[in-house]
Amino acid sequence: SAVISQKPSRDICQRGTSLTIQCQVDSQVTMMFWYRQQPGQSLTLIATANQGSEATYESGFVIDKFPISRPNLTFSTLTVSNMSPEDSSIYLCSVEGGAGYGYTFGSGTRLTVV
Amino acid sequence: AQKVTQAQTEISVVEKEDVTLDCVYETRDTTYYLFWYKQPPSGELVFLIRRNSFDEQNEISGRYSWNFQKSTSSFNFTITASQVVDSAVYFCALSEVQTGANNLFFGTGTRLTVIP
Repeated sequence: SAVISQKPSRDICQRGTSLTIQCQVDSQVTMMFWYRQQPGQSLTLIATANQGSEATYESGFVIDKFPISRPNLTFSTLTVSNMSPEDSSIYLCSVEGGAGYGYTFGSGTRLTVV
Repeated sequence: AQKVTQAQTEISVVEKEDVTLDCVYETRDTTYYLFWYKQPPSGELVFLIRRNSFDEQNEISGRYSWNFQKSTSSFNFTITASQVVDSAVYFCALSEVQTGANNLFFGTGTRLTVIP
Protein backbone atom coordinates (compact mmCIF):
# COMPACT_ATOMS: atom_id res chain seq x y z
CA SER A 1 0.00 0.00 0.00
CA ALA A 2 0.98 3.64 -0.42
CA VAL A 3 3.20 5.43 2.07
CA ILE A 4 2.45 9.04 2.95
CA SER A 5 4.85 11.59 4.37
CA GLN A 6 3.00 14.44 6.06
CA LYS A 7 4.52 17.54 7.57
CA PRO A 8 4.70 19.35 9.81
CA SER A 9 3.79 16.83 12.48
CA ARG A 10 2.72 19.57 14.83
CA ASP A 11 2.70 23.32 15.10
CA ILE A 12 1.59 26.07 17.42
CA CYS A 13 0.37 29.12 15.54
CA GLN A 14 -0.86 32.58 16.35
CA ARG A 15 -4.44 33.43 15.54
CA GLY A 16 -4.86 35.24 12.26
CA THR A 17 -1.94 33.48 10.60
CA SER A 18 -1.95 30.63 8.06
CA LEU A 19 -0.34 27.20 8.03
CA THR A 20 0.33 25.02 5.02
CA ILE A 21 0.40 21.25 5.49
CA GLN A 22 2.13 19.05 2.95
CA CYS A 23 1.51 15.45 1.97
CA GLN A 24 3.83 13.47 -0.26
CA VAL A 25 2.83 10.01 -1.49
CA ASP A 26 5.32 7.41 -2.71
CA SER A 27 3.15 6.45 -5.67
CA GLN A 28 0.81 8.18 -8.09
CA VAL A 29 -2.76 8.43 -6.88
CA THR A 30 -5.83 9.98 -8.44
CA MET A 31 -7.58 11.19 -5.33
CA MET A 32 -6.21 12.60 -2.14
CA PHE A 33 -8.43 13.32 0.83
CA TRP A 34 -8.04 15.84 3.62
CA TYR A 35 -9.67 15.21 6.99
CA ARG A 36 -9.97 17.15 10.21
CA GLN A 37 -10.16 15.55 13.63
CA GLN A 38 -11.18 17.97 16.33
CA PRO A 39 -10.13 17.15 19.90
CA GLY A 40 -11.84 14.00 21.11
CA GLN A 41 -13.90 13.73 17.93
CA SER A 42 -14.07 11.57 14.86
CA LEU A 43 -12.65 12.37 11.44
CA THR A 44 -14.53 14.68 9.11
CA LEU A 45 -13.75 15.02 5.43
CA ILE A 46 -12.72 18.54 4.44
CA ALA A 47 -12.21 18.03 0.72
CA THR A 48 -11.17 15.70 -2.04
CA ALA A 49 -8.24 16.82 -4.17
CA ASN A 50 -7.90 15.60 -7.74
CA GLN A 51 -4.90 16.45 -9.84
CA GLY A 52 -5.71 18.95 -12.56
CA SER A 53 -9.01 20.16 -11.15
CA GLU A 54 -10.28 22.19 -8.24
CA ALA A 55 -10.79 20.41 -4.97
CA THR A 56 -14.30 19.36 -4.00
CA TYR A 57 -15.24 20.67 -0.56
CA GLU A 58 -17.69 19.14 1.88
CA SER A 59 -20.50 21.09 3.44
CA GLY A 60 -19.18 23.47 6.05
CA PHE A 61 -15.73 23.85 4.48
CA VAL A 62 -14.85 26.58 2.00
CA ILE A 63 -11.93 27.18 -0.31
CA ASP A 64 -11.10 30.58 1.16
CA LYS A 65 -10.52 29.02 4.56
CA PHE A 66 -8.93 25.75 3.40
CA PRO A 67 -7.26 26.27 0.03
CA ILE A 68 -5.85 23.08 -1.44
CA SER A 69 -3.25 22.56 -4.13
CA ARG A 70 -2.68 19.36 -6.12
CA PRO A 71 0.11 20.08 -8.57
CA ASN A 72 0.82 16.45 -9.45
CA LEU A 73 -0.25 12.88 -8.69
CA THR A 74 2.00 12.46 -5.66
CA PHE A 75 1.69 15.72 -3.75
CA SER A 76 -0.92 17.96 -2.16
CA THR A 77 -1.06 20.82 0.30
CA LEU A 78 -3.80 22.07 2.60
CA THR A 79 -3.63 25.59 3.99
CA VAL A 80 -5.54 26.58 7.10
CA SER A 81 -6.07 30.31 6.65
CA ASN A 82 -6.73 33.12 9.10
CA MET A 83 -6.62 30.68 11.97
CA SER A 84 -8.63 30.89 15.17
CA PRO A 85 -8.48 28.67 18.26
CA GLU A 86 -11.43 26.71 16.84
CA ASP A 87 -9.12 25.44 14.10
CA SER A 88 -7.03 23.56 16.67
CA SER A 89 -7.29 20.00 15.41
CA ILE A 90 -5.40 17.16 13.85
CA TYR A 91 -5.35 17.40 10.07
CA LEU A 92 -4.75 14.23 8.07
CA CYS A 93 -4.33 13.42 4.42
CA SER A 94 -5.33 10.08 2.99
CA VAL A 95 -5.22 8.06 -0.21
CA GLU A 96 -6.75 4.79 -1.27
CA GLY A 97 -4.46 1.93 -0.47
CA GLY A 98 -5.26 -0.23 -3.46
CA ALA A 99 -7.15 -3.47 -3.87
CA GLY A 100 -7.44 -5.36 -0.62
CA TYR A 101 -6.08 -2.54 1.45
CA GLY A 102 -7.64 0.20 3.44
CA TYR A 103 -7.11 3.86 2.97
CA THR A 104 -3.66 4.99 4.03
CA PHE A 105 -3.33 8.01 6.25
CA GLY A 106 -0.52 10.40 6.88
CA SER A 107 0.74 10.65 10.43
CA GLY A 108 -1.27 13.82 10.93
CA THR A 109 -0.54 17.44 11.74
CA ARG A 110 -1.46 18.44 15.25
CA LEU A 111 -2.31 22.13 15.09
CA THR A 112 -2.76 24.36 18.10
CA VAL A 113 -3.89 27.93 17.57
CA VAL A 114 -3.24 30.38 20.40
CA ALA B 1 -27.54 9.27 3.22
CA GLN B 2 -24.73 7.29 4.76
CA LYS B 3 -24.20 6.92 8.45
CA VAL B 4 -21.97 4.93 10.76
CA THR B 5 -22.99 4.47 14.38
CA GLN B 6 -20.72 3.32 17.16
CA ALA B 7 -22.98 3.44 20.16
CA GLN B 8 -20.27 2.54 22.67
CA THR B 9 -18.36 5.70 23.48
CA GLU B 10 -16.00 4.14 25.99
CA ILE B 11 -15.34 0.59 27.13
CA SER B 12 -13.05 -0.63 29.90
CA VAL B 13 -12.04 -4.23 30.29
CA VAL B 14 -9.55 -6.09 32.40
CA GLU B 15 -6.61 -7.61 30.57
CA LYS B 16 -7.32 -11.03 29.04
CA GLU B 17 -11.04 -10.38 28.81
CA ASP B 18 -12.76 -10.51 25.44
CA VAL B 19 -14.42 -7.35 24.15
CA THR B 20 -16.72 -6.60 21.23
CA LEU B 21 -16.98 -3.20 19.60
CA ASP B 22 -20.23 -2.57 17.80
CA CYS B 23 -20.71 -0.84 14.46
CA VAL B 24 -23.99 -0.26 12.65
CA TYR B 25 -24.09 1.42 9.27
CA GLU B 26 -26.62 2.90 6.87
CA THR B 27 -26.22 3.22 3.13
CA ARG B 28 -28.35 3.18 0.01
CA ASP B 29 -25.54 1.70 -2.06
CA THR B 30 -25.55 -2.00 -2.75
CA THR B 31 -21.80 -1.95 -3.23
CA TYR B 32 -19.74 -0.56 -0.40
CA TYR B 33 -16.75 -1.22 1.82
CA LEU B 34 -16.51 -1.33 5.57
CA PHE B 35 -13.36 -0.66 7.55
CA TRP B 36 -11.97 -0.70 11.04
CA TYR B 37 -9.12 1.56 12.11
CA LYS B 38 -7.20 1.79 15.37
CA GLN B 39 -5.94 5.12 16.69
CA PRO B 40 -3.52 4.62 19.59
CA PRO B 41 -2.56 7.51 21.87
CA SER B 42 0.22 8.48 19.47
CA GLY B 43 -2.49 9.58 17.03
CA GLU B 44 -1.75 7.71 13.83
CA LEU B 45 -4.51 5.73 12.14
CA VAL B 46 -3.77 2.04 11.77
CA PHE B 47 -5.73 0.10 9.18
CA LEU B 48 -7.16 -3.16 10.55
CA ILE B 49 -9.55 -4.56 7.97
CA ARG B 50 -11.49 -3.83 4.81
CA ARG B 51 -14.57 -5.83 3.90
CA ASN B 52 -16.70 -5.47 0.77
CA SER B 53 -20.47 -5.68 0.84
CA PHE B 54 -20.57 -8.97 -1.07
CA ASP B 55 -18.37 -10.86 1.34
CA GLU B 56 -20.18 -11.76 4.52
CA GLN B 57 -17.68 -14.30 5.70
CA ASN B 58 -16.41 -13.64 9.16
CA GLU B 59 -12.70 -12.98 9.40
CA ILE B 60 -10.18 -13.82 12.04
CA SER B 61 -6.69 -12.38 12.33
CA GLY B 62 -4.89 -13.48 15.43
CA ARG B 63 -6.79 -12.13 18.42
CA TYR B 64 -9.00 -10.01 16.19
CA SER B 65 -12.22 -11.15 14.55
CA TRP B 66 -14.95 -9.41 12.62
CA ASN B 67 -18.61 -10.33 12.23
CA PHE B 68 -20.31 -8.79 9.18
CA GLN B 69 -24.08 -9.20 9.00
CA LYS B 70 -25.88 -7.42 6.17
CA SER B 71 -29.28 -8.40 7.58
CA THR B 72 -28.65 -6.14 10.58
CA SER B 73 -26.24 -3.73 8.85
CA SER B 74 -23.61 -4.47 11.43
CA PHE B 75 -19.87 -4.99 11.30
CA ASN B 76 -18.73 -5.82 14.81
CA PHE B 77 -15.16 -6.24 15.97
CA THR B 78 -14.07 -8.61 18.72
CA ILE B 79 -10.73 -8.65 20.48
CA THR B 80 -10.01 -11.90 22.26
CA ALA B 81 -7.79 -12.01 25.34
CA SER B 82 -7.33 -8.25 25.35
CA GLN B 83 -3.95 -6.71 26.12
CA VAL B 84 -2.90 -3.31 27.40
CA VAL B 85 -1.52 -2.49 23.94
CA ASP B 86 -5.06 -2.76 22.59
CA SER B 87 -5.97 0.44 24.43
CA ALA B 88 -6.89 2.92 21.71
CA VAL B 89 -9.79 4.56 19.95
CA TYR B 90 -11.32 2.30 17.32
CA PHE B 91 -13.17 3.71 14.35
CA CYS B 92 -15.56 1.95 12.04
CA ALA B 93 -15.89 3.52 8.58
CA LEU B 94 -17.87 3.15 5.37
CA SER B 95 -16.96 3.84 1.75
CA GLU B 96 -19.70 3.90 -0.88
CA VAL B 97 -18.72 2.71 -4.34
CA GLN B 98 -21.74 3.68 -6.41
CA THR B 99 -21.79 7.32 -5.37
CA GLY B 100 -18.25 7.62 -6.66
CA ALA B 101 -17.21 9.74 -3.72
CA ASN B 102 -14.57 7.23 -2.62
CA ASN B 103 -13.97 8.90 0.73
CA LEU B 104 -14.52 7.34 4.15
CA PHE B 105 -17.41 8.13 6.47
CA PHE B 106 -16.33 7.53 10.03
CA GLY B 107 -18.25 6.56 13.11
CA THR B 108 -17.66 8.53 16.28
CA GLY B 109 -15.24 5.96 17.62
CA THR B 110 -15.07 3.74 20.69
CA ARG B 111 -12.35 4.36 23.24
CA LEU B 112 -11.13 1.04 24.62
CA THR B 113 -9.16 0.95 27.82
CA VAL B 114 -7.57 -2.33 28.84
CA ILE B 115 -6.72 -2.38 32.53
CA PRO B 116 -3.71 -4.46 33.56
